[in-house]
Amino acid sequence: AQKITQTQPGMFVQEKEAVTLDCTYDTSDPSYGLFWYKQPSSGEMIFLIYQGSYDQQNATEGRYSLNFQKARKSANLVISASQLGDSAMYFCAMRGWNTGFQKLVFGTGTRLLVSP
Amino acid sequence: NAGVTQTPKFRVLKTGQSMTLLCAQDMNHEYMYWYRQDPGMGLRLIHYSVGEGTTAKGEVPDGYNVSRLKKQNFLLGLESAAPSQTSVYFCASQTSGGTDTQYFGPGTRLTVL
Repeated sequence: AQKITQTQPGMFVQEKEAVTLDCTYDTSDPSYGLFWYKQPSSGEMIFLIYQGSYDQQNATEGRYSLNFQKARKSANLVISASQLGDSAMYFCAMRGWNTGFQKLVFGTGTRLLVSP
Repeated sequence: NAGVTQTPKFRVLKTGQSMTLLCAQDMNHEYMYWYRQDPGMGLRLIHYSVGEGTTAKGEVPDGYNVSRLKKQNFLLGLESAAPSQTSVYFCASQTSGGTDTQYFGPGTRLTVL
């Protein structure tokens, strides 16, 4: 079975600073993918970044990067130069080979508040 | 290109009533999903479909039924609504497995009194 753990229910950061949102996972899949989604107060789910388990380099998308440490089973999201619009819920999710890459399993999320 | 749309956006039901939530996607995606989101619990998979005419159970399927008669549509039905089904429901779709990301609809807020 796959499991995602996000231990930080809430995080605070000042504008323009960097912040790391933690995500650890548990799986027996030989191949899997890790995703981060953002959910602002308006409610929609926005895809941010993807990391494959066999990718050699950490994924980056603009101000978002994924700090992937396979041996520690962690996939932390790093947001550089935080902006007020980054205030939102952030969800880590994974999908694996054992389920035919068909199903995403989500963590419980971290609420990020960015202050001026 | 509307992406993933959901109908309705809001609904209030009385216990025992039935309703159907409609999800439509115009991206020609094979896979479609229904999730529910409750406070402190993230998103949980209710049912999903990997192609027209196919459906499968997710993590929390009890009390729900689904149908995928057309590739672009995925319907979620509640035959006899219960207060425990008060939630926000999200539909999502993707092309196939692997690295493809899921695209989400805007959500439906359902309250069962």
